[in-house]
Amino acid sequence: AQSVTQLGSHVSVSEGALVLLRCNYSSSVPPYLFWYVQYPNQGLQLLLKYTTGATLVKGINGFEAEFKKSETSFHLTKPSAHMSDAAEYFCAVSLYNNNDMRFGAGTRLTVKP
Amino acid sequence: SAVISQKPSRDICQRGTSLTIQCQVDSQVTMMFWYRQQPGQSLTLIATANQGSEATYESGFVIDKFPISRPNLTFSTLTVSNMSPEDSSIYLCSVVQDYEQYFGPGTRLTVT
Repeated sequence: AQSVTQLGSHVSVSEGALVLLRCNYSSSVPPYLFWYVQYPNQGLQLLLKYTTGATLVKGINGFEAEFKKSETSFHLTKPSAHMSDAAEYFCAVSLYNNNDMRFGAGTRLTVKP
Repeated sequence: SAVISQKPSRDICQRGTSLTIQCQVDSQVTMMFWYRQQPGQSLTLIATANQGSEATYESGFVIDKFPISRPNLTFSTLTVSNMSPEDSSIYLCSVVQDYEQYFGPGTRLTVT
């Protein structure tokens, strides 16, 4: 079965600094990969996803992620953090068109002024 | 995109009682999912509910504890039965539409 591991339950950056949230996956077949964001007391919002094609995926709010098959990774980055980026971020993996999505443990991003 | 609503948005319940959570989607979808998010943790899939068939439960979840109904293509309910404090979680409904997964706002349940 597929699974994801998010390295670092908490990440703290200064405003304007690079954001890097790490995600590694395990899958027996080519996976679909996702990043979701959850703001306090809100539901999940899709940031970006990789299905096929270009390995560098751009999402909303300036985030992007690169699918690296050789490293089984799908790290999320943003060049310059904003205070509004403070939230919980979840990496997820699924097979066969989202029929069985599995989530990582989540990474809480804190942005310091 | 699919818009999902859940009722109630939150509730405080006494142990031993049951709560039914409703999930309404603004369009017809084949597959609906129920997730649990325990405090400070990630999402765990409880079950997959397809219209017209029995829900499929993940390991660690049973129908007697979490009965699910799926009467049509836009609606589902999840009941949390005989609740204990360990059931205090956020319960989220989710659907797949056009190969994208959408989540409801969640139901925050506190069991005292």
